Amino acid sequence: DLVMTQSPRSLPVTPGEPASISCRSSQSLLHTNGYHYLDWYLQKAGQSPQLLIFLAINRASGVPDRFSASGSGTNFTLTIRRVEAEDVGVYYCMQALQTPLTFGGGTKVEIK
Amino acid sequence: EAQLVESGGTLVNPGRSLRLSCSGSGFTFGENAMSWIRQAPGKGLEWVGVIRSLDYGGTTEYAASVKGRFTISRDDSKSMAYLEMNNLKTEDTAVYYCSRHRDGHDYWGQGTLVTVSS
Repeated sequence: DLVMTQSPRSLPVTPGEPASISCRSSQSLLHTNGYHYLDWYLQKAGQSPQLLIFLAINRASGVPDRFSASGSGTNFTLTIRRVEAEDVGVYYCMQALQTPLTFGGGTKVEIK
Repeated sequence: EAQLVESGGTLVNPGRSLRLSCSGSGFTFGENAMSWIRQAPGKGLEWVGVIRSLDYGGTTEYAASVKGRFTISRDDSKSMAYLEMNNLKTEDTAVYYCSRHRDGHDYWGQGTLVTVSS
């Protein structure tokens, strides 16, 4: 199974400052079609997860443009350009290249 | 607006069976793969399995932890997906979400809690 490793596990942030989360996979997530099958999700307290990014770099519908993502192969990054209070929660990366789909352990983002 | 609603979660004894349902609306249900994803109390997300659309054969895949015990099915005429869970174990205790898998898991239900305990 593909293993997904996120860092850091906890990320205290200051509103208005940038924040980045790293996700590493045990194998390349590059499909033969040229896309990287890596998604990012945010789960706010008491809520269902919500999709932020799909295919490594594409913002989902309705996601603010302060969220961006990059990466290739086995290394991926989610960046929040200027953190807002509503961005707190647990962020997960997930590989969708092969079954079983696997999630990273999560990164808890909280306000300092 | 697409919407998913799970139901069927409850307290059940170890070794028993339970069926969860997922009702979809606001989109063409039959054109989409549907996943089940769970979250044990205080833990992260775990993919349980997927059922592809009939255009892709309606095939299913499962996590190793549930394979042989859980079965995913769908009834596109009712816009429903199901998760049949047999021989439940205490470690199956979790909130179970259904999700549309299109470009990412773009729609999620609110989740339904399954507690396996004697």
